[in-house]
Amino acid sequence: TGVTQSPTHLIKTRGQQVTLSCSPISGHRSVSWYQQTPGQGLQFLFEYFSETQRNKGNFPGRFSGRQFSNSRSEMNVSTLELGDSALYLCASSLVDSENTIYFGEGSWLTVV
Amino acid sequence: AQRVTQPEKLLSVFKGAPVELKCNYSYSGSPELFWYVQYSRQRLQLLLRHISRESIKGFTADLNKGETSFHLKKPFAQEEDSAMYYCALEGAQKLVFGQGTRLTINP
Repeated sequence: TGVTQSPTHLIKTRGQQVTLSCSPISGHRSVSWYQQTPGQGLQFLFEYFSETQRNKGNFPGRFSGRQFSNSRSEMNVSTLELGDSALYLCASSLVDSENTIYFGEGSWLTVV
Repeated sequence: AQRVTQPEKLLSVFKGAPVELKCNYSYSGSPELFWYVQYSRQRLQLLLRHISRESIKGFTADLNKGETSFHLKKPFAQEEDSAMYYCALEGAQKLVFGQGTRLTINP
């Protein structure tokens, strides 16, 4: 099975917070998150490996994440803004992005 | 800073015609470059990477360090090539994507 993300679609109100989940391919230890919007394209959020954040993109502190011992990852966005409406993609790879990374289908977040 | 530029948002060619999707990058180190493709209703997937120097589905891409380019080419386009194409650069353990080019192959 591939990278699985949940939920697939959700609608939130401004000011709320949201948690998105990602299960990597079995055996993959690196998980990265991306935000995809029509205006900005695909933007790197952060990358986790062995429960540690190894790299972070240029997003405000409202965006956070974590990785569990089984490599599953979650990302959280607090105090949601309208501009956070986007497709959030998770990707996994064996060790790092030098290996082929595999994307999930994403979680569509709409903030109203 | 890492930056990837795909100057064409939309590209339309006829079936059988050559295709070239442009990609330019900016990176101070030694880059690893990739092309990703997203077909309609499918997830984003790797098409090819420059270190493999391979041809996938008839597509090739050559890294030109002098011009800082990694253009994607195919001599004869097919209708099934219609998709969104993203050029990406990996550096400092971070993958940076271009804005993408929507390629449409007309019959």
